[in-house]
Amino acid sequence: SYVLTQPPSVSVAPGETASITCGGNNIGGETVHWYQQKPGQAPVLVVYDDSDRPSGIPERFSGSNSGNTAILTISRVEAGDEADYYCQVWDGGSDHPGVFGGGTELTVL
Amino acid sequence: EVQLVESGGGLVQPGGSRRLSCAVSASTFSIYEMNWVRQAPGKGLEWVSYISSSGSSKYYADSVKGRFTISRDNAKNSLYLQMNSLRAEDTAVYYCATFPTHTTSWYFDVWGKGTTVIVSS
Repeated sequence: SYVLTQPPSVSVAPGETASITCGGNNIGGETVHWYQQKPGQAPVLVVYDDSDRPSGIPERFSGSNSGNTAILTISRVEAGDEADYYCQVWDGGSDHPGVFGGGTELTVL
Repeated sequence: EVQLVESGGGLVQPGGSRRLSCAVSASTFSIYEMNWVRQAPGKGLEWVSYISSSGSSKYYADSVKGRFTISRDNAKNSLYLQMNSLRAEDTAVYYCATFPTHTTSWYFDVWGKGTTVIVSS
């Protein structure tokens, strides 16, 4: 089954840019989605279809996907961005198609 | 906007069964493809199961295949997860989540708040 690999943690100072990677075999050929989850809350979609933002998500959140790595970029990081972030793909060729990365804890220093 | 409310969680003994429900507030529930996603304490998200809008297609994670059954009642705007032969490792918050209806892309755009299942003696 398809495997997505994320770094367990990323730290960034306020105002700086955070990049959270999601690795997978030829992930550039897949469509990647990203979720933010704060403690005690349900996940929230922040980027879909590699680089699109749902309504209400700040422009500071952006995504890219190429080769073996997808990236969630958060510009001008704020304290409120501190959360866990998960990438996700739907492996349509599999009979167990839902795949999440292991998650990345973003710490705002 | 559609809203999802899960129920049915609780404490269950190893080997026992539990049925989770997800009530969907949508005038057209029958067009929604639905999923269950879970999160064990301190762990990441794990996709559990999918059901098509008609109920004719179902998929399961290997970790639950043969033990869990997803179903839906479009007349009652409800999604279900029947969990049998429960194990300690099934302890988790269980979320129901929809796919968007306006696109063929498969992401979880609406989530419930979750219901907690604890498998312990």
